[in-house]
Amino acid sequence: EPEVTQTPSHQVTQMGQEVILRCVPISNHLYFYWYRQILGQKVEFLVSFYNNEISEKSEIFDDQFSVERPDGSNFTLKIRSTKLEDSAMYFCASSDSREVQETQYFGPGTRLLVL
Amino acid sequence: LAKTTQPISMDSYEGQEVNITCSHNNIATNDYITWYQQFPSQGPRFIIQGYKTKVTNEVASLFIPADRKSSTLSLPRVSLSDTAVYYCLVVPMFSGGYNKLIFGAGTRLAVHP
Repeated sequence: EPEVTQTPSHQVTQMGQEVILRCVPISNHLYFYWYRQILGQKVEFLVSFYNNEISEKSEIFDDQFSVERPDGSNFTLKIRSTKLEDSAMYFCASSDSREVQETQYFGPGTRLLVL
Repeated sequence: LAKTTQPISMDSYEGQEVNITCSHNNIATNDYITWYQQFPSQGPRFIIQGYKTKVTNEVASLFIPADRKSSTLSLPRVSLSDTAVYYCLVVPMFSGGYNKLIFGAGTRLAVHP
């Protein structure tokens, strides 16, 4: 069964540093998402992406965040200057239609720790 | 978006049937009900989705009454590996936001030997 993959599985960084989280969505999917989950809290929507542009973003997704699909297969989330409160599990997801019947498939996540 | 309410936690034993009920009083006509499962340190995984009446797949059944203000996820004969958090979501069709998922706190199911 095709799956979403994410790298790295764990990342430790110093406050103020830039991090790039990488995702490879399922190959025929066209819609991509990033979510995050702070330890012990809810899964929160960050951003959705379609046709090489952001279609919606949450309040969390401020100017420090950006997304890119650089080469037609990878989908990246960049945090320019990390803060302590960015420590969380970051999940990438993809789906192949905007219809509600189409499922979002989640990757295993990247655990980001900002020190 | 319709708000969902589900129990914070449930306990069960291996081999039992587990029913998790979710209320969504403000569900709209074009909303679907979707359930996801999340194991510790893993991403959420789709379980089942429905609009009305009953839906069944190889993992679970979903019961939705006629008024659609609640739904019940039924897991037959649970095993230890069903220990997870279960999320009930209401997903609008054609939201324009490419169906972002709004997760609540979920129900933490613990299955005991």
